[in-house]
Amino acid sequence: GESVGLHLPTLSVQEGDNSIINCAYSNSASDYFIWYKQESGKGPQFIIDIRSNMDKRQGQRVTVLLNKTVKHLSLQIAATQPGDSAVYFCAETGNTPLVFGKGTRLSVIA
Amino acid sequence: DAGITQSPRHKVTETGTPVTLRCHQTENHRYMYWYRQDPGHGLRLIHYSYGVKDTDKGEVSDGYSVSRSKTEDFLLTLESATSSQTSVYFCAIGRTALGNEQYFGPGTRLTVT
Repeated sequence: GESVGLHLPTLSVQEGDNSIINCAYSNSASDYFIWYKQESGKGPQFIIDIRSNMDKRQGQRVTVLLNKTVKHLSLQIAATQPGDSAVYFCAETGNTPLVFGKGTRLSVIA
Repeated sequence: DAGITQSPRHKVTETGTPVTLRCHQTENHRYMYWYRQDPGHGLRLIHYSYGVKDTDKGEVSDGYSVSRSKTEDFLLTLESATSSQTSVYFCAIGRTALGNEQYFGPGTRLTVT
């Protein structure tokens, strides 16, 4: 697989704690948002999405929160596990090709 | 990787040579995309396709061309590779529209010397 060593913001979290990864998006016309996870050596993997008519959406151990007023998106991971260590990207679109953020590296401390 | 393969997975080439990267999908998705990923820039769209023979430019299309003669294959060509095109290239597919989720292939690491 492939990955790129990125000088990214890093979040270090103790195993079992909750993680919160933040993203500021740029286009107020964007109405659909996605979080991706990229493990070392792999392509980005879809985690969860949310449309602009919602403020919150929950998946399995993950929750996405959307604040359109301040153009802010967050990803919450409950009970963080070593397998959650990865780079996380947000992406936005308004029926245009996705625009990706630069990502945050999550490091889980066992 | 959602039925997406990329070939080659690694390639080293010299400046000025042509290079073609291939993306193949088995999902019959309409949309296909080529991105490059570089430190400090994240994922940037090179070209995309919304059907056979239908393509459009992305954010960083200069120096790249694409072709899609079949639903399942999307080719990215560097006509004359430059060192600035050293990168990791990802192909992605999307089912219904530009504004929907995309699924990514495993990537190709290209080094231009």
